[in-house]
Amino acid sequence: QVQLVQSGGGVVQPGGSLRLSCTASGFTFSSYGMHWVRQAPGKGLEYVAFIQYDASNKYYVDSAKGRFTIYRDNSKNTVYLQLKSLRPEDTAVYYCAREEGKWLQLYPWGQGTLVTVSS
Amino acid sequence: DIQMTQSPSSVSASVGDRVTITCQASQGISSWLAWYQQKPGKAPKLLIYAASSLQSGVPSRFSGSGSGTDFTLTISSLQPEDFATYYCQQARSFPLTFGAGTKVEIK
Repeated sequence: QVQLVQSGGGVVQPGGSLRLSCTASGFTFSSYGMHWVRQAPGKGLEYVAFIQYDASNKYYVDSAKGRFTIYRDNSKNTVYLQLKSLRPEDTAVYYCAREEGKWLQLYPWGQGTLVTVSS
Repeated sequence: DIQMTQSPSSVSASVGDRVTITCQASQGISSWLAWYQQKPGKAPKLLIYAASSLQSGVPSRFSGSGSGTDFTLTISSLQPEDFATYYCQQARSFPLTFGAGTKVEIK
């Protein structure tokens, strides 16, 4: 079945780095754009980044620009989010999601991975 | 950025009730709107896309309507498994933005 499985995450000190991974199965990964969305503890959903199916186009929300990098390896069916210069306010559950169709609806989502930035 | 305003922030309802959640965009987004359901500790689940199209596998008691700036998610007869938080999301332009969420609680 169509599935996204995430890995990475953990506890990191302010200023540190972390790489999140999202591995797809059950569909032709190289045909779909991928997104990252995060959710701070007890808060709502915040959009983070997007990468086109062939990596030819990327987008970052302002708070991620210059610190986060989205990239993909279509041979490994995996999209990554490299997090650098992390701040306490980056503490959140990070979700990857597939862009399913022309209406930019997000389906499915990964199970989420918690990033905690704390000294 | 397009701002999405959801209301109410929470609603208490009973099984069998009809529940309506509204979402207003800060500018016209045509039908570029999706609705998601999220249960505690779980990833969001797509319910509706293109404002009114039901995602495959989603029960027909869920429906969406609206266009432009004003949208509605309706649950026609609330079921026990529907108690959750619901989010709208605009897809008209980047960054994709979400409403603050509506928590549907048991009355």
